[in-house]
Amino acid sequence: EVQLVQSGAEVRKPGESLKISCKGSGYRFDTYWIGWVRQVPGKGLEWMGIIYPGDSDTRYSPSFQGQVTFSADESINTAYLQWSGLKASDTAIYYCARRFYYDNRDSFDIWGQGTMVTVSS
Amino acid sequence: DIQMTQSPSSLSASVGDRVTITCRASQSISDYLNWYQQKPGKAPKLLIYGASGLLGGVPSRFSGSGSGTDFTLTITSLQPEDFATYYCQQSYSTPWTFGQGTKVEIK
Repeated sequence: EVQLVQSGAEVRKPGESLKISCKGSGYRFDTYWIGWVRQVPGKGLEWMGIIYPGDSDTRYSPSFQGQVTFSADESINTAYLQWSGLKASDTAIYYCARRFYYDNRDSFDIWGQGTMVTVSS
Repeated sequence: DIQMTQSPSSLSASVGDRVTITCRASQSISDYLNWYQQKPGKAPKLLIYGASGLLGGVPSRFSGSGSGTDFTLTITSLQPEDFATYYCQQSYSTPWTFGQGTKVEIK
């Protein structure tokens, strides 16, 4: 079964660092881009960017450039999203998703279950 | 960034109804348009890619159409499991952007 499994919920204080993970299985992890999507509870979806685990090529949304860092370890089929100084406004659910590229069209066909990040003093 | 606007923001419908959701892009995006379904507490699920391509395993009562700036998602004969929030998303240019969502509720 093709799936992405994310790490569990996290609670941090403002200014702290955090790294969450997304592990792929059932397919060649290093040949599909992985995207990250933010969802503030009760709100819509925001595209943060994508990373290619094969060579760690990354594309960030301007809204998130400099605020987060994507990384990947293809040897363990895992992608990461990290912050070096969390803010309360980072409180959200973070999803990883696999890029589906077909007939020159892009979408996200497989999604992780989401990781809830709470930042509160 | 390309802005995606969905209408309506919410709607009430009954089982068996035909439902249409529209999505408008702020500029032409050809057919680089996807539709997702999200149920409470769950991750989004891809339904339609490339404006009209039905992902394998998605029921045929879902269909998508449109090109350029105007798109529609149609659900023929709404089923109980279809009550959810639906999002459109453009993949024409980065950053990919989503519509604000349309919540389909039970009448």
